Amino acid sequence: AQSVTQLDSQVPVFEEAPVELRCNYSSSVSVYLFWYVQYPNQGLQLLLKYLSGSTLVKGINGFEAEFNKSQTSFHLRKPSVHISDTAEYFCAVVRSGNTPLVFGKGTRLSVIA
Amino acid sequence: ETGVTQSPTHLIKTRGQQVTLRCSSQSGHNTVSWYQQALGQGPQFIFQYYREEENGRGNFPPRFSGLQFPNYSSELNVNALELDDSALYLCASSWATGGTEAFFGQGTRLTVV
Repeated sequence: AQSVTQLDSQVPVFEEAPVELRCNYSSSVSVYLFWYVQYPNQGLQLLLKYLSGSTLVKGINGFEAEFNKSQTSFHLRKPSVHISDTAEYFCAVVRSGNTPLVFGKGTRLSVIA
Repeated sequence: ETGVTQSPTHLIKTRGQQVTLRCSSQSGHNTVSWYQQALGQGPQFIFQYYREEENGRGNFPPRFSGLQFPNYSSELNVNALELDDSALYLCASSWATGGTEAFFGQGTRLTVV
């Protein structure tokens, strides 16, 4: 079975500063990896995904993530955050084939003016 | 705009009652998954429907049941509601499963009193 650990439950950061949200996964088979964002009182929106190929993945809103197979990590980064990035971020993994997403517990990013 | 719509957006039920939540999947998608997101937690997989058949289930009791209709819309039914069923219920639609992107609705906030 797969599992996802998001190492920080809350990350406060000043506006225009860089941020990294950490995600580690556990799986005995190859997986696909995702980052989703959830704004207050809304559903989940896909930020980016890693399926194969280049380990550096670029997503929407200036976010990017790097897949590191040896460290089983998929950390999310943004070089300069905005107030509007304040939200909950979820890392998720899925095994190829007919299986559902497995989510981490989430990281609350709070951007301070 | 993801095209996945859920209804209702909020509802309050009394312990022991039954509830039906509805999801209209994005056009062209044949797979619907349901997730439960308790406060402060990541989404937990309830079950998945592919072409009107349940083809995967998470660790939820049988009082959680569902349907998928020929137009690929779906219902989640919960019988004998318990206080711990209070959560945000998310529906996601996709074309097939696994590495394909899942699009989420805005969720239904269920409160059991």
